[in-house]
Amino acid sequence: EAGVTQFPSHSVIEKGQTVTLRCDPISGHDNLYWYRRVMGKEIKFLLHFVKESKQDESGMPNNRFLAERTGGTYSTLKVQPAELEDSGVYFCASSPTLWGTNEKLFFGSGTQLSVL
Amino acid sequence: GENVEQHPSTLSVQEGDSAVIKCTYSDSASNYFPWYKQELGKRPQLIIDIRSNVGEKKDQRIAVTLNKTAKHFSLHITETQPEDSAVYFCAARPVDSSYKLIFGSGTRLLVRP
Repeated sequence: EAGVTQFPSHSVIEKGQTVTLRCDPISGHDNLYWYRRVMGKEIKFLLHFVKESKQDESGMPNNRFLAERTGGTYSTLKVQPAELEDSGVYFCASSPTLWGTNEKLFFGSGTQLSVL
Repeated sequence: GENVEQHPSTLSVQEGDSAVIKCTYSDSASNYFPWYKQELGKRPQLIIDIRSNVGEKKDQRIAVTLNKTAKHFSLHITETQPEDSAVYFCAARPVDSSYKLIFGSGTRLLVRP
């Protein structure tokens, strides 16, 4: 089966610009998560979608970040305007269910965002 | 909220030796503890997981132990090989509305040939 795909793999932008990251989860996975790893630190939770609904967005840093999942398929994460501290690797992950044997998270390869 | 601490941040071992990575968590209600391996340039992948009703789980050369009382869990890799070199992340899942994973800061393991 196709895995979680993320686009772009790398993005270099200047402070103040806008960037949109895209994630295509594994087909049929209702749960979609966004995570971020700043260099050398933990993979930090940003938010969780169940289908098209935001289940938990407690990890979103501030209102410069906007995530959407229209139609419950792919998701986008927009950063506007980008700041230097937004640099890091943004991971998307999906899972079919929240518990039991199918709760395993499948990760994408990430988007390396560099804000200069 | 849940907090996960992971040690060491880097670990270098000789091929064939064992490697141990330790994590502690803060939320006693957390019930699921996976370990992910991220090779250079690749995506994190689940290598083993353990639930709170189990004390130990083994899969070939890797094993995970869980001490609920002390709120810590460990990854053990025996007979290490160069292909085990990667960054390893532990995680805990608190019982909340999203069942999100809370990750540790990662351990960079280098296996010297």
